[in-house]
Amino acid sequence: GQQLNQSPQSMFIQEGEDVSMNCTSSSIFNTWLWYKQDPGEGPVLLIALYKAGELTSNGRLTAQFGITRKDSFLNISASIPSDVGIYFCAAAANAGGTSYGKLTFGQGTILTVHP
Amino acid sequence: DGGITQSPKYLFRKEGQNVTLSCEQNLNHDAMYWYRQDPGQGLRLIYYSQIVNDFQKGDIAEGYSVSREKKESFPLTVTSAQKNPTAFYLCASSIQWVINSPLHFGNGTRLTVT
Repeated sequence: GQQLNQSPQSMFIQEGEDVSMNCTSSSIFNTWLWYKQDPGEGPVLLIALYKAGELTSNGRLTAQFGITRKDSFLNISASIPSDVGIYFCAAAANAGGTSYGKLTFGQGTILTVHP
Repeated sequence: DGGITQSPKYLFRKEGQNVTLSCEQNLNHDAMYWYRQDPGQGLRLIYYSQIVNDFQKGDIAEGYSVSREKKESFPLTVTSAQKNPTAFYLCASSIQWVINSPLHFGNGTRLTVT
């Protein structure tokens, strides 16, 4: 089946540093999403990407939909303690012209920010 | 405020018992989903429902059952046939079953079976 390889698995950084994480796949996807999950909570949507090559920002977050449609990255600039959490990439694909709501999720990147 | 409510937050059951997890949404979304989350793994799709009175198996449906009798409700039953039921269960919804309709998640139910 389709799989997303998300890296790194975990990151330990100092407050103020920039963060970069990415997701790759051998399959082509038509939508890439990035979610953040706080401990004991459900994931919250950060950024949605719908077009190959698209670069989108949301405050200190920037994400790009890879031109090959097989990857995406998320950057966080000037990290702060509340950035702590698990970040998931997710992707969806069309099949035969029919849209599907099924998402494939990466394994997650655990981010720890030291004050 | 609109949102997705999962209850209870924590649930404890003895092995061999069926248990039902509640999920209610007041977002007027057509599609609803159940995911399972295990430590160090991504979310895995259990069941989904594109519209009321319809539901389909996801990637790991064995040992689970659902119903969708009302648009706002999508309860998940974890049966005794599920071999490893202890996990964090997440319910989600989206406006429609379409590719550019992102999922909105509830806050999850942590089920522990001993």
